[in-house]
Amino acid sequence: DTAVSQTPKYLVTQMGNDKSIKCEQNLGHDTMYWYKQDSKKFLKIMFSYNNKELIINETVPNRFSPKSPDKAHLNLHINSLELGDSAVYFCASSPTIGAGDGYTFGSGTRLTVV
Amino acid sequence: QKEVEQNSGPLSVPEGAIASLNCTYSDRGSQSFFWYRQYSGKSPELIMSIYSNGDKEDGRFTAQLNKASQYVSLLIRDSQPSDSATYLCAVNDGSNYQLIWGAGTKLIIKP
Repeated sequence: DTAVSQTPKYLVTQMGNDKSIKCEQNLGHDTMYWYKQDSKKFLKIMFSYNNKELIINETVPNRFSPKSPDKAHLNLHINSLELGDSAVYFCASSPTIGAGDGYTFGSGTRLTVV
Repeated sequence: QKEVEQNSGPLSVPEGAIASLNCTYSDRGSQSFFWYRQYSGKSPELIMSIYSNGDKEDGRFTAQLNKASQYVSLLIRDSQPSDSATYLCAVNDGSNYQLIWGAGTKLIIKP
């Protein structure tokens, strides 16, 4: 199936731990994104990569570090997790850099920090 | 600050009626406009895109765009209970490589 796939789907962890979320797309898209959706359902962009190059780096704590080994993969590593990091994290991709074609989202990773 | 505004709802519509969802945006440089549907606990799903003034129809869905008024709407005809979801309006940032998102309108279709 052509898709954007994220793992894991659920992640429960203690404060202070380090965790990673992986994302892969087989759509042949050039651009990938990480979004955070909080309890109020507002989607907030965190990072965007185009062909492995970082193009959007919004104001997020530097505990969050994205890595794109190739244009089909974009991973998110989070150090020293805090309670406020609890949210749903979505990976998305788009065919080109300009967001003119809309995004395809992954199924999301629900992160709960306890 | 570029913004996309939506009424958060909930908007309650009887089954079989027309649901009308509205969105206004602030960036006059925007050229691409999208409606996403998000079911509870699921990811946003693109249902309509529109790029020029006027109406665009796809099945029971019609997107309407008025760039002069900076207004986008989504009409859902013959609403079904399965249309109950949060509808997100997104607009491309005319000077940046990203979409600007509204907070979403929760739609409830009552049988």
